[in-house]
Amino acid sequence: GAGVSQSPSNKVTEKGKDVELRCDPISGHTALYWYRQSLGQGLEFLIYFQGNSAPDKSGLPSDRFSAERTGGSVSTLTIQRTQQEDSAVYLCASSLDRVASPLHFGNGTRLTVT
Amino acid sequence: SQQGEEDPQALSIQEGENATMNCSYKTSINNLQWYRQNSGRGLVHLILIRSNEREKHSGRLRVTLDTSKKSSSLLITASRAADTASYFCANFGNEKLTFGTGTRLTIIP
Repeated sequence: GAGVSQSPSNKVTEKGKDVELRCDPISGHTALYWYRQSLGQGLEFLIYFQGNSAPDKSGLPSDRFSAERTGGSVSTLTIQRTQQEDSAVYLCASSLDRVASPLHFGNGTRLTVT
Repeated sequence: SQQGEEDPQALSIQEGENATMNCSYKTSINNLQWYRQNSGRGLVHLILIRSNEREKHSGRLRVTLDTSKKSSSLLITASRAADTASYFCANFGNEKLTFGTGTRLTIIP
């Protein structure tokens, strides 16, 4: 079946512009994560959606970052007034449940802020 | 920080040798997972070890877990050039999955 799909795969934007990154999780997966990965670094947790529960937003680095998950499926990560330090690969992952299921990752969106 | 610490940060070995990488957390371990990443893009799940397990095998992979030390190790036996990648541990702590800092493994043919 289809895996996790992220779009766009690459995005170049000017400093100060807003960007929207999209994630289509695997159908039926209740958990959805967003992570950020800078070049050669580990994964930084951003936000976590689980079913109909309130999302865990504890990893969002500033109020310029926000995310939604509509209808328990597609998720959008929005970055307002982008800064150069926002340049990174943004990874989305989904899983069947909370604790013991493996995450299935998309191929990420590489964001470059010039 | 809830992020796991992995060591070594980088490891280069000859093809055919075994590779061992370690992971530790400051928070309690709850269902520890290991992932592999090629080319800085999406990660692929390798193996999950539950909190009540001490050792688990999958093909050439062997994972151990010590919950008292809040640590885990991943052993890849009989390494191949195709094993060259970054490897990350991940812990479901504080109600979400947080990843370690990663080990960059290079297999020399």
